[in-house]
Amino acid sequence: QKEVEQNSGPLSVPEGAIASLNCTYSDRGSQSFFWYRQYSGKSPELIMFIYSNGDKEDGRFTAQLNKASQYVSLLIRDSQPSDSATYLCAVSGFSGGYNKLIFGAGTRLAVHP
Amino acid sequence: DADVTQTPRNRITKTGKRIMLECSQTKGHDRMYWYRQDPGLGLRLIYYSFDVKDINKGEISDGYSVSRQAQAKFSLSLESAIPNQTALYFCATSDSGTDTQYFGPGTRLTVL
Repeated sequence: QKEVEQNSGPLSVPEGAIASLNCTYSDRGSQSFFWYRQYSGKSPELIMFIYSNGDKEDGRFTAQLNKASQYVSLLIRDSQPSDSATYLCAVSGFSGGYNKLIFGAGTRLAVHP
Repeated sequence: DADVTQTPRNRITKTGKRIMLECSQTKGHDRMYWYRQDPGLGLRLIYYSFDVKDINKGEISDGYSVSRQAQAKFSLSLESAIPNQTALYFCATSDSGTDTQYFGPGTRLTVL
């Protein structure tokens, strides 16, 4: 069973701080890694994707990938109360003849003023 | 206008009723997916379709069926709804050759 693990949280950070969200995965063959943000009762919204080892930055967000350790993380700089949401990690996995996304259960982030 | 739409957005029904959830997309994507989300369990794949003639079961397909009426339309049916099918249901799409998925707004289904 291919798995994606995330700490459920809540992760509580003060406004302006860096929030660090982590995700581990079990399938060494995974090639694509995604972070989605989901506000309560809303649909997941794509924030970033990363394919290669290292860092990828987009505005206040940085995704970090370490395939050897099977670990992907999301850093949010200058956290704002509007960043309070659940963050879903998704990893591509090959099964049943197709590549599909496997989602973690999400980490709830709370940014307090 | 939204690229991926779902109808209805909310539905309350009774045990044993047949329910259909519909998804439409204007993104031109070949691939469409149905997920359910339960608190603490994340998104679980019910069915997926890589084109009109290619439909596959996901990890939790029991009690569900689907129809891909056209490239842009993918419907999910609950033949005889039961209370443990109460959940948030999402449709998603992706382009062939990429794993990036885009989600519709969701349908909140309550089975009494």
